[in-house]
Amino acid sequence: ELQLVESGGGLVPPGGSLRLSCAASGFTFNNYWMHWVRQAPGKGLVWVSRIESDGSTTFHADSVKGRFTISRDNARNTVYLQMNSLRAEDTALYYCVRGTMNGASYFDYWGQGTLVTVSS
Amino acid sequence: DIQMTQSPSTLSASVGDRVTITCRASQSISSWLAWYQQKPGKAPNLLIYRASNLESGVPSRFSGSGSGTDFALTISSLQPDDFATYYCQQYNTDATFGQGTKLEIK
Repeated sequence: ELQLVESGGGLVPPGGSLRLSCAASGFTFNNYWMHWVRQAPGKGLVWVSRIESDGSTTFHADSVKGRFTISRDNARNTVYLQMNSLRAEDTALYYCVRGTMNGASYFDYWGQGTLVTVSS
Repeated sequence: DIQMTQSPSTLSASVGDRVTITCRASQSISSWLAWYQQKPGKAPNLLIYRASNLESGVPSRFSGSGSGTDFALTISSLQPDDFATYYCQQYNTDATFGQGTKLEIK
């Protein structure tokens, strides 16, 4: 069974850092681009970051560029999101999602999400 | 950046109704459009990809249409399980979601 399990969320003060992890299983992880999508409480979905299958190229939304870094460890079937200089507006449920094997894509599998709350 | 605009924001309907949700892109995205359903407290679930392709396991009462800038998601006969929030997403250039359409029971 394909699974994406996020962890690492929590309460952090403004300006703080947090690293999210997403453990993947049930598919050939190193064949797929992986993404993070977030959803603020009561709000819509916002794409955050993506990383290509071999980790060679990453891209981030303008709202997080320079503060967030996506990475992956294909030996551990895990994708990460390092979040620095956190702001109140980063408060959201962060979903790890699977893309396709190349290029921009729809998202066919989603984790359950991990909640990040930025507050003093 | 490509902007996605859904309408309506809220839709009230009854079991058995045929409903349509529309999504407009700020520039042409060919057929690179997906639709998702999200229920409270759950992750989104992929319904449609490439504008009109039904994801495996999704009931056939769901259908998608359109290309270029104008798209639609149609539910042919609403079932109780269909009351949820629906999002469109373009993937012509990275990914952008619409703001969502909440489908409520009338």
